[in-house]
Amino acid sequence: EVQLVESGGGLVQPGRSLRLSCAASGLTFDDYAMHWVRQAPGKGLEWVSGISWNSGYIGYTDSVKGRFTISRDNAKNSLYLLMNSLTVDDMAVYYCAKSNTVLDAFDIWGQGTMVTVSS
Amino acid sequence: DIQMTQSPSSLSASVGDRVTITCRASQNISSFLNWYQQKPGKAPNLLIYATSSLQSGVPSRFSGSGSGTDFTLTISSLQPEDFATYYCHQSYSTPPNFGGGTRVQIK
Repeated sequence: EVQLVESGGGLVQPGRSLRLSCAASGLTFDDYAMHWVRQAPGKGLEWVSGISWNSGYIGYTDSVKGRFTISRDNAKNSLYLLMNSLTVDDMAVYYCAKSNTVLDAFDIWGQGTMVTVSS
Repeated sequence: DIQMTQSPSSLSASVGDRVTITCRASQNISSFLNWYQQKPGKAPNLLIYATSSLQSGVPSRFSGSGSGTDFTLTISSLQPEDFATYYCHQSYSTPPNFGGGTRVQIK
């Protein structure tokens, strides 16, 4: 069974950093692109960042450029999101998701990890 | 960036009803349009990809159509388990944006 499991969420003060992880199993991880998608409480889905299978493509939504860094370790079947200078606007459930290529449907999602930004 | 606009933002329907949700792209995205279902507290689930291809395991009462800028998700006979929020998503260009969602509620 293909599974994505996020971790690393929690309560963090504004201006601080947090690193999310997504562990993949049941698939050949380096065959696929990966993404982070977030959902603020009571709001819709927002694509945050994506990375191609070999990290040749990396992209971000404008609101996180310069603050967030996506990376992957294919040897560890893992995806990461380093989030710096967090603000209350970054508070959300963060999902990792896979797609065949960067521009494909997101066919498998993790269960999400909540990031709460508060003093 | 391509903006995705869904309508309506919410609707009320009864079991057995035919339900149609519309998604409009701010520019031509060919057939690179996907639909997801999300239930409260759960991750989104892919229903339809490339406008009209049904994801494995998704009931055949779900269908998609359209091309260019205008797309439709249809549920032919609404079932109790279909009450959820539905999102469209363009995978034509980065950033691969989502629509704002359509909440389908029980009438």
